[in-house]
Amino acid sequence: GAGVSQSPRYKVAKRGQDVALRCDPISGHVSLFWYQQALGQGPEFLTYFQNEAQLDKSGLPSDRFFAERPEGSVSTLKIQRTQQEDSAVYLCATGQGPNNEQFFGPGTRLTVL
Amino acid sequence: GENVEQHPSTLSVQEGDSAVIKCTYSDSASNYFPWYKQELGKGPQLIIDIRSNVGEKKDQRIAVTLNKTAKHFSLHITETQPEDSAVYFCAASIRGGSNYKLTFGKGTLLTVNP
Repeated sequence: GAGVSQSPRYKVAKRGQDVALRCDPISGHVSLFWYQQALGQGPEFLTYFQNEAQLDKSGLPSDRFFAERPEGSVSTLKIQRTQQEDSAVYLCATGQGPNNEQFFGPGTRLTVL
Repeated sequence: GENVEQHPSTLSVQEGDSAVIKCTYSDSASNYFPWYKQELGKGPQLIIDIRSNVGEKKDQRIAVTLNKTAKHFSLHITETQPEDSAVYFCAASIRGGSNYKLTFGKGTLLTVNP
């Protein structure tokens, strides 16, 4: 099945380390979203790409968070100098367009010690 | 920005009973209201959605109602089964505008007891 895939599925980082989380979208999907889901909470919007253009990054919590999608397909969410409050599941969702259904990947569970 | 409130946070029902989850939203510009089911270790999966020009939508055992005036919408699951046990999220967004993001409620843990 060609769903949204994310890697790694689990990541443990020591405080202060940099991490990179990868999202492989469904082929041909133009829209790509990143969400952060804290334990026991709903997903919260981080950033949105349409093809390679990052159209909205209003949800990124600090300048330690950076996302890219250079060729309009695979996207990487990078967190620099990780803090304990960054511990969460990071979800990627993609869609055929901004007004179409968002399909979610399984997420990457990040634990910062 | 949009704020979505969801109740209850936990819901336990007997198999065969109905379950109702309610959400309210704050932004009158929101016009698209999806519901997601999330199982342990998985990403949210869309189960039903409704647009603001419709008051009710059904899909087999699942239905959603929307009251635009009161800014609330509800998920109804009839004849619940153990496999319905999961966390359910409501969400709101503005389709057709530039703000495509989903704003989620905090979720409802539904447990269906056999």
